[in-house]
Amino acid sequence: EAGVAQSPRYKIIEKRQSVAFWCNPISGHATLYWYQQILGQGPKLLIQFQNNGVVDDSQLPKDRFSAERLKGVDSTLKIQPAKLEDSAVYLCASSFPLGQVLAKNIQYFGAGTRLSVL
Amino acid sequence: DAKTTQPNSMESNEEEPVHLPCNHSTISGTDYIHWYRQLPSQGPEYVIHGLTSNVNNRMASLAIAEDRKSSTLILHRATLRDAAVYYCILRRQGAQKLVFGQGTRLTINP
Repeated sequence: EAGVAQSPRYKIIEKRQSVAFWCNPISGHATLYWYQQILGQGPKLLIQFQNNGVVDDSQLPKDRFSAERLKGVDSTLKIQPAKLEDSAVYLCASSFPLGQVLAKNIQYFGAGTRLSVL
Repeated sequence: DAKTTQPNSMESNEEEPVHLPCNHSTISGTDYIHWYRQLPSQGPEYVIHGLTSNVNNRMASLAIAEDRKSSTLILHRATLRDAAVYYCILRRQGAQKLVFGQGTRLTINP
């Protein structure tokens, strides 16, 4: 079974530039998550989608971050303009929706995109 | 969200059992205890989860205290590939959200 795919793996930009990350979840997973992981810390949830609808974006800095999942499959996370403190690994995860027998309450993570803002 | 407390780091030797503790004194009756681990340069991966009873799977065992205020992840025979950061997370029933703490960095000595 193919895992969660993310690209690019690494990105280096200067502050005030924009950047976009792409995620392709596991086939059949209706729920998709974006996390931010700053060095030395655990991942922090930015946004959760169920199909193409937003379930939770309470920790997304909406003045500069945006995310979409137009067809309920792939998703993109954008930062515009980037700040130095946005340097982090951006992780995408997916899962079956809670309540489905197959859900098993497990999230599957991609390898992440490491962003460096100079 | 209920909070968990884990040691910052632990060290063990290859082929020996490892017991990773987690305290969650404010756990509610509907909170599941989840463990994930994160290998170097990878995203977290699911290890095990439970509610009240002890659980076993091919990766590890989860021992849950009778009062549910603490739990222990047990790796029965550690290998070098088990070196990772281990996260103990409480997930509320009916919710999918995972709130990660800083976890325990496990070092395995050859």
